[in-house]
Amino acid sequence: SAVISQKPSRDICQRGTSLTIQCQVDSQVTMMFWYRQQPGQSLTLIATANQGSEATYESGFVIDKFPISRPNLTFSTLTVSNMSPEDSSIYLCSVEGSGLRASNEQFFGPGTRLTVL
Amino acid sequence: GENVEQHPSTLSVQEGDSAVIKCTYSDSASNYFPWYKQELGKRPQLIIDIRSNVGEKKDQRIAVTLNKTAKHFSLHITETQPEDSAVYFCAASPGGYQKVTFGTGTKLQVIP
Repeated sequence: SAVISQKPSRDICQRGTSLTIQCQVDSQVTMMFWYRQQPGQSLTLIATANQGSEATYESGFVIDKFPISRPNLTFSTLTVSNMSPEDSSIYLCSVEGSGLRASNEQFFGPGTRLTVL
Repeated sequence: GENVEQHPSTLSVQEGDSAVIKCTYSDSASNYFPWYKQELGKRPQLIIDIRSNVGEKKDQRIAVTLNKTAKHFSLHITETQPEDSAVYFCAASPGGYQKVTFGTGTKLQVIP
């Protein structure tokens, strides 16, 4: 499986500010996904990021709040904009498989624990 | 869209006993059903998966069963050990880069 890293691993931010989370994969992958996991809850998909096109957002998530970049096949960023305490959560990136071919299995990065004061 | 329900939300078993977690899904287009284990403070880890052309799959102490007609699938853990304690998530997907929908999770506690 792909090796996925995220930066930062955790951060404490003031409301109204923005934080950009980076996700790096050790191999080229077609799709990257961004999830949110609120404390004690399940994983909710924010958006799907494909290189060379705009990210596809799930219902309840908008580009102005969660802009995503996907500049190449091994990297993506998620920005949490104009943060409020409700954005306190763990943000995880994931990839499908370990190459450019669809394989169904999704693997997760270690997550970024965000606390907004 | 897909809706995945998972039961129970918490499960306590004695070490050595079996644990069963059940999930149902709504979208007949789903054909890939992974199970993830998430230990406290860690990322979800894929532990086993099953595809719609298979009714059962085993990997050592873990097994999954799938009933496509009834749209439900289950995780079975035998001879549970304290290190099995974690939150388990079921999920469903049509596959091929399409959305994976997760269940609400089951917190399993194995009592030594």
